[in-house]
This record gives sequence, C-alpha cells and structure tokens, in this order.
Amino acid sequence: GQNIDQPTEMTATEGAIVQINCTYQTSGFNGLFWYQQHAGEAPTFLSYNVLDGLEEKGRFSSFLSRSKGYSYLLLKELQMKDSASYLCAVTLNTGGFKTIFGAGTRLFVKA
Amino acid sequence: DSGVTQTPKHLITATGQRVTLRCSPRSGDLSVYWYQQSLDQGLQFLIQYYNGEERAKGNILERFSAQQFPDLHSELNLSSLELGDSALYFCASSVDRGRGEQYFGPGTRLTVT
Repeated sequence: GQNIDQPTEMTATEGAIVQINCTYQTSGFNGLFWYQQHAGEAPTFLSYNVLDGLEEKGRFSSFLSRSKGYSYLLLKELQMKDSASYLCAVTLNTGGFKTIFGAGTRLFVKA
Repeated sequence: DSGVTQTPKHLITATGQRVTLRCSPRSGDLSVYWYQQSLDQGLQFLIQYYNGEERAKGNILERFSAQQFPDLHSELNLSSLELGDSALYFCASSVDRGRGEQYFGPGTRLTVT
C-alpha cells in the first residue's frame, strides 16, 4: 500500500532551526510536496521536490532522497507564526496523478 | 488568498440528507481536486477532474459524487449523510493534470447532526 510517515508533534524555540522528517513507501512516485496548514485554514504550498537534493526558498528548505524514500523540511529563524501543521504529500502516477498526504506534523514554536 | 473559492463556508444538516458543495478554481487552472479532512486526521483525497473529465479517484464513498462543468467549476454531492461525514471539505486546483502544486480553497465545514 501507499504510506507516508511523519512525526505527530514537535516543539522548537523562536529563532531556532527545526527539521521535520517524512518517510514514504509508495509506488509510482512522481514528486513530493510540503504544505503548511494553520488550524481550521486551507493548506498552503511551501515546496516541491522531484529530483534528489535540496531546494531552498527563503527560510524554508526541503530535501529529497528518492532511493531512501525520505524527505525533510527545514525551517530556519523560527517565528511564532510558524506554529502550524506541516503536511508531507506525495504525488503518484497511477495512470492519472494522485496526491496522498501524510497526517501532518504539528509544530509548536515557543518564545 | 489562493484564488480558489468554495461555497458555502459552513453547512449544518441532518442525517440522511443530501448536500452540494461548490468550488471555483483559480483562473486558468484546469484541474480540480476534492479532499476530506476529519477532526485530527489528515487530508483524504476523494477525486480529481481535469478539464471536465474524471482523472483520478481516491477513497470516495459511493454516496458521494462529483462533476466538473464546462466553465470548470466543480460540485461535490454528498447524499444519505451520516454523522461520520462531518468534516472540512477542501477543493484545490492546479494548472496541470496533477503533477504540480495545488492551491486550496478555504474549505466547507460540514456538520451532520
């Protein structure tokens, strides 16, 4: 079956760096996305990896290793507003494209 | 604001009833996706349409159906509602057939009593 694992919760301090890991076991891998979701709101797109390596976008970076089925999202210079859930999502090519989401990692940023 | 609109924002209805949720994608986007998010659960993919045609299907119940119209807006129909159908229903859109990033609407919160 298709499976995505990420930690349920993490806590970090304002100004620090935090790494949120994601492992996946899927067939037909086509790309990996990270989304941010504040409670009760819509997910918003953060990053996209299709090839191995690091993609950097301001305070956010995302890494992918396809051979290991592993990705991480790195958040630098944490701010209180970064407290949210971070969703790892994998797009599969199953004839049509289908995106499956992990359950999300709830990040708490403390002062 | 993602540019994706969903109506209504909130819906309260009784078990056994039928409701229709509506979504308008971002201008220029051809794909529409529907997701269900129950309390403390992840996003569950329901179904995707591309330019009016069904492209991919997730764990969508037989009581649920969807369509995409020629003007590209989409509707999700939920019938014979049960208490367990209470959830946030998100619509998302993308410009392509499903390879790229998706832009999510604000969601419809459905409460079944």
